[in-house]
Amino acid sequence: SQTIHQWPATLVQPVGSPLSLECTVEGTSNPNLYWYRQAAGRGLQLLFYSVGIGQISSEVPQNLSASRPQDRQFILSSKKLLLSDSGFYLCAWRGWGLRYRATTDTQYFGPGTRLTVL
Amino acid sequence: GIQVEQSPPDLILQEGANSTLRCNFSDSVNNLQWFHQNPWGQLINLFYIPSGTKQNGRLSATTVATERYSLLYISSSQTTDSGVYFCAVETSGGGADGLTFGKGTHLIIQP
Repeated sequence: SQTIHQWPATLVQPVGSPLSLECTVEGTSNPNLYWYRQAAGRGLQLLFYSVGIGQISSEVPQNLSASRPQDRQFILSSKKLLLSDSGFYLCAWRGWGLRYRATTDTQYFGPGTRLTVL
Repeated sequence: GIQVEQSPPDLILQEGANSTLRCNFSDSVNNLQWFHQNPWGQLINLFYIPSGTKQNGRLSATTVATERYSLLYISSSQTTDSGVYFCAVETSGGGADGLTFGKGTHLIIQP
């Protein structure tokens, strides 16, 4: 079965410090991968998605960047954190109906990283 | 982009009650999912339902794609049903663009 991991689970960082959040998926190959952010306890916003190694699409202009160095690894980074970067960051992968013998076209989410910028 | 509106924003019920959560969307969709976010933040898939009706235990969902809305029904509520329920949609084909989420319905089930 497929599983998705994120680390760290929680992070407290000072303003201006760098950031690196990691997401890895097991049990699948060439998944579509996504980074979302949830602020103020409600609503998720898509930040980045990737359809393959080195392929990143950004949905909103921001202080963040993403990279996909390996097929099942997705990294969210920042060179200098802002207070507004605080939030709950969730990684997701997409399961395809035909490829994974399922009848759904579903996104599955990781456990998330709670980031507080002080 | 597509707009997703969920109602009600907050709902407080007694254990054993039934509830209906609504999701309206502003454009045609090829993907609609319902999620439950537990108190630890984990998003749990409930239904993939771009059209039609599905049931899973005490939960069921119906999407009327032509009228651009979806309903999530929770019967015989339990305290463990508490949390935030999100509706999320996708409009384009190919599956690469990600989901657009509503703001959620915060459900509290009191014992």
